[in-house]
Amino acid sequence: QVQLQESGPGLVKPSETLSLTCAVSGYSISSGYYWGWIRQPPGKGLEWIGSIYHSGSTYYNPSLKSRVTISVDTSKNQFSLKLSSVTAADTAVYYCARQFRFGTDYWGQGTLVTVSS
Amino acid sequence: DIQLTQSPSFLSASVGDRVTITCRASQGISSYLAWYQQKPGKAPKLLIYAASTLQSGVPSRFSGSGSGTEFTLTISSLQPEDFATYYCQQLNSYPFTFGPGTKVDIK
Repeated sequence: QVQLQESGPGLVKPSETLSLTCAVSGYSISSGYYWGWIRQPPGKGLEWIGSIYHSGSTYYNPSLKSRVTISVDTSKNQFSLKLSSVTAADTAVYYCARQFRFGTDYWGQGTLVTVSS
Repeated sequence: DIQLTQSPSFLSASVGDRVTITCRASQGISSYLAWYQQKPGKAPKLLIYAASTLQSGVPSRFSGSGSGTEFTLTISSLQPEDFATYYCQQLNSYPFTFGPGTKVDIK
C-alpha cells in the first residue's frame, strides 16, 4: 500500500522559508509517477502548488513559481517543498500526493503550517 | 490558467437521493478531469479519473461523465457516508487547477 507522510515545522515566521518533506513508502519514487504538493487554506479550497517527476523535471503553479522549489531524493524515497518569503496568506494545510496523468491517487494526511511571528 | 466552476456550490439532500454536480472548464480539457471527495480534517480521496473511470475501491453509485468543457459527477443513491465536499480538478495543462468545491449536506 502506497503511503505518504508530510513532515516539517508547523510554525514559520513571516519572510522566512517554509520547508516540508514527504516520505513515501510502499512505492519507489524512481519507478515513475509525478509527486506533488497541494495546499488548502483553512476553510477554503484546494490549490495545486507543483509537481516533480522522478527524473527531476518540475512543474510549478505560476502564481507561486518565483518562491517555490520542489526537489526529490530518490535514495531516501522522499521529495521536498520549499516556499520562500512566506506571509500569512501561505497559512494552509499542505498535502503531498502521487499524481498520474489523469488524477491524484494517493495523498498524505496533510500538515498545517501557520505563518506567524 | 484553466478556470473550473462547479454548480451548485452547496447542495442539501436526503439519503437515497440522486445527486448531480457539474464542473465546467474555461476551455476544452478533453477528458483530463478528476473528481475528489473530502471530509472534514481529511485528505481528498480520488473518486473518478479521466472524467468517467471509477477509481478502484470506490462504490459504483458514483459515476462521472463529460468531455471538453462540461462534466458531471453523479451519486445514484446518496448514502450517509457521502456527505462531504466534492472537488473537480483538471489535468489537461499546468497549473492543474481545482474547482471551488460543492458541499453536500444533509437535508
